[in-house]
Amino acid sequence: AQSVAQPEDQVNVAEGNPLTVKCTYSVSGNPYLFWYVQYPNRGLQFLLKYITGDNLVKGSYGFEAEFNKSQTSFHLKKPSALVSDSALYFCAVRDNTGRRALTFGSGTRLQVQP
Amino acid sequence: GAGVSQSPSNKVTEKGKDVELRCDPISGHTALYWYRQSLGQGLEFLIYFQGNSAPDKSGLPSDRFSAERTGGSVSTLTIQRTQQEDSAVYLCASSWDRAETQYFGPGTRLLVL
Repeated sequence: AQSVAQPEDQVNVAEGNPLTVKCTYSVSGNPYLFWYVQYPNRGLQFLLKYITGDNLVKGSYGFEAEFNKSQTSFHLKKPSALVSDSALYFCAVRDNTGRRALTFGSGTRLQVQP
Repeated sequence: GAGVSQSPSNKVTEKGKDVELRCDPISGHTALYWYRQSLGQGLEFLIYFQGNSAPDKSGLPSDRFSAERTGGSVSTLTIQRTQQEDSAVYLCASSWDRAETQYFGPGTRLLVL
């Protein structure tokens, strides 16, 4: 069975500072990894994904994530946080077999203070 | 272009009633997914449709839940004899056949009284 852990319920960061939202995963075979963001009363918006290739992937709104196979991690990062980045962030994984369903972490609320 | 749309955006129903939730995927997307987001269970997979293949129903929590996809496009999720624990936000997503990114709709917020 596959699983995702987001160890922090909330991350607080000052505007202009770098941010990191942590994610670790467990999956059989090679992972497909995703980050989504959710604003209040909205659906999930896709940020970025890792399928294969470079371990550092860049996504929307200046976000990036680094795939680390040995640590089974896929942490989300941004060099300089904006107040508008405040939202709920979800990490998700699926394996590279035919089953397409995503397994999500419990979410991390990012609060960027002005 | 148009994204995934869902209707209704909100639904309030009484315990024991049946409800139908609708999803219109992005045009041309052959894969369609239903997920449920609730406070206690987080985001959980319900069912997946891919083209004309048999759907993956492995996430449906009980036989009160069913879904169909007509003409390879619109999907309806039906919950029969609703219970209070069915209260949640029901999210629909779609993707291209060989692409991995699932694009989500705004969700239907279901409240069972």
